[in-house]
Amino acid sequence: DTAVSQTPKYLVTQMGNDKSIKCEQNLGHDTMYWYKQDSKKFLKIMFSYNNKELIINETVPNRFSPKSPDKAHLNLHINSLELGDSAVYFCASSQDVGGAEKLFFGSGTQLSVL
Amino acid sequence: GNSVTQMEGPVTLSEEAFLTINCTYTATGYPSLFWYVQYPGEGLQLLLKATKADDKGSNKGFEATYRKETTSFHLEKGSVQVSDSAVYFCALTTPNDYKLSFGAGTTVTVRA
Repeated sequence: DTAVSQTPKYLVTQMGNDKSIKCEQNLGHDTMYWYKQDSKKFLKIMFSYNNKELIINETVPNRFSPKSPDKAHLNLHINSLELGDSAVYFCASSQDVGGAEKLFFGSGTQLSVL
Repeated sequence: GNSVTQMEGPVTLSEEAFLTINCTYTATGYPSLFWYVQYPGEGLQLLLKATKADDKGSNKGFEATYRKETTSFHLEKGSVQVSDSAVYFCALTTPNDYKLSFGAGTTVTVRA
């Protein structure tokens, strides 16, 4: 069983569209994250949720809206997609807040905005 | 704030060569230090970590020593294999930071 699974793996869409990426973890972890990886492999945190509550929002445009229906799921909805949103988005989870605990990553969603 | 600077790649090596990837950091507070590895088409995986000065993290033949005096956590492997081809990320967190801060990643390619 995949510990952290995210769908879809690839997402190609037009500018201005709205899209969602789903993430689920079956590890029983309390904390989930979204990271964005740009074309140069630079990885930057976007959001962190602990037990369904937002604890980190790193100056992400409000076109990005995370939703956590329960602590095993953290979905990412993006409105009015722009060219600069093209990247690989990684979901991750950890047992506790802070990242000092090991992070488990999904395999990524490659978003291409045309 | 917290930041990590790591050696720019890409790095290309022959099998059995020695690998070093430099990593230095700045941190507010006492950091824990990590190396993560990303194999092609996959998410990141924890490779090793160290939580206090002079600790050595090791895994799969890789080692890194937490050097507080030089604020460094360089990754080394004595004899690389083709299967070590990946992107390597240095990262840190500090108490009450609630997240990992990553370096820019170093792409390593090992040729047979």
